[in-house]
Amino acid sequence: AQKITQTQPGMFVQEKEAVTLDCTYDTSDPSYGLFWYKQPSSGEMIFLIYQGSYDQQNATEGRYSLNFQKARKSANLVISASQLGDSAMYFCAMREGNTGNQFYFGTGTSLTVIP
Amino acid sequence: GAGVSQSPSNKVTEKGKDVELRCDPISGHTALYWYRQSLGQGLEFLIYFQGNSAPDKSGLPSDRFSAERTGGSVSTLTIQRTQQEDSAVYLCASSLALNGGYSNQPQHFGDGTRLSIL
Repeated sequence: AQKITQTQPGMFVQEKEAVTLDCTYDTSDPSYGLFWYKQPSSGEMIFLIYQGSYDQQNATEGRYSLNFQKARKSANLVISASQLGDSAMYFCAMREGNTGNQFYFGTGTSLTVIP
Repeated sequence: GAGVSQSPSNKVTEKGKDVELRCDPISGHTALYWYRQSLGQGLEFLIYFQGNSAPDKSGLPSDRFSAERTGGSVSTLTIQRTQQEDSAVYLCASSLALNGGYSNQPQHFGDGTRLSIL
């Protein structure tokens, strides 16, 4: 089974609107971390936000927030007030806390912000 | 700089030649990872190193691919007898190790090496 599933190959959002990028995960490890990365067309991978499995509150970093639903094993990224510079590929990733240092990445979602 | 450094940034070579790609991780990061990313695709895990432990080579696509990490720092990914399907961006990342079972350490990526096989 896939460890990380991103079901939206491409998404469009109007500038200044909010958008949600979906991510579901699969693990039996009670300790894990979830990460979102942004990859603009220039190619660098930029770390955006982290959510730990034991965290009681949803993570927030500026315009980024994570809608963490543990029972559903989902960790959706919410970008508020979209900007043209948000157009990029977005990858969800997971690291299991007790089974090693491996990171598992989803296939990514391409986000296009429309002016 | 303090980030992950990869060299060269671009490499063009003829089919059949060997290539070496270098990664210099962030100082103090004991975990180092290599990924391959084809155009418009996701990340394909290749190999990772953690401290002095044996590396996890489970992602290497063939025996033409190998990697080493000397002194727990710099890593070299070597591709022998390159094929056209090896053309991709090769990304290196480093991370602090797991912290007492807490998995809150993200990976930090280099800018990648764009490899083109003619």
